[in-house]
Amino acid sequence: DGGITQSPKYLFRKEGQNVTLSCEQNLNHDAMYWYRQDPGQGLRLIYYSQIVNDFQKGDIAEGYSVSREKKESFPLTVTSAQKNPTAFYLCASRPKGTDFLAGGTYEQYFGPGTRLTVT
Amino acid sequence: AQSVTQLDSQVPVFEEAPVELRCNYSSSVSVYLFWYVQYPNQGLQLLLKYLSGSTLVKGINGFEAEFNKSQTSFHLRKPSVHISDTAEYLCAVSALRGGTSYGKLTFGQGTILTVHP
Repeated sequence: DGGITQSPKYLFRKEGQNVTLSCEQNLNHDAMYWYRQDPGQGLRLIYYSQIVNDFQKGDIAEGYSVSREKKESFPLTVTSAQKNPTAFYLCASRPKGTDFLAGGTYEQYFGPGTRLTVT
Repeated sequence: AQSVTQLDSQVPVFEEAPVELRCNYSSSVSVYLFWYVQYPNQGLQLLLKYLSGSTLVKGINGFEAEFNKSQTSFHLRKPSVHISDTAEYLCAVSALRGGTSYGKLTFGQGTILTVHP
């Protein structure tokens, strides 16, 4: 089955440690995204990547880093510089360059999420 | 830039009652509009989307939404809810840039729908 996997589902870390969240997709999508979700704040974009070896900062990139060495993988590292890292993290993907006039779609497909708790 | 406001953070309703979840957006360019549903500790699932054409859009699980350009709204409705509809609902917009969208979504704060027996 095609889809997006995120692991682990729950992650616990001590303050001051870096932690890497995994995101893998087998949908052959070009674009991938990382969001952070906090209660009552919806989803906020951390980083996104349109193509391998390229990525862009989103709205709240400070304290995070990413890499995109393979099309199917987009890991997110939460560094010790992130002031409030405890949150639910969601990864998403979509086909890139789909022009609506050519019958493309624009929704993003989401993984199941990773809940990170830092104490 | 775009912004999305979901006017109600929580909506409690009784089973089999109708429900409307409100979403307003702000954008200086044309947008695509989406509603997602999220069950506790899970990812998001697309309910429906508006790209163009008819302003009344039908989605999964009996939900529908109406795009109102003049009021910049995209309210979600269901005529009769079930217990299983209890979830968080998120409205999102994506700006159209020329003929191709970069696909970045801007989300509202979410509305938690609780259906009581």
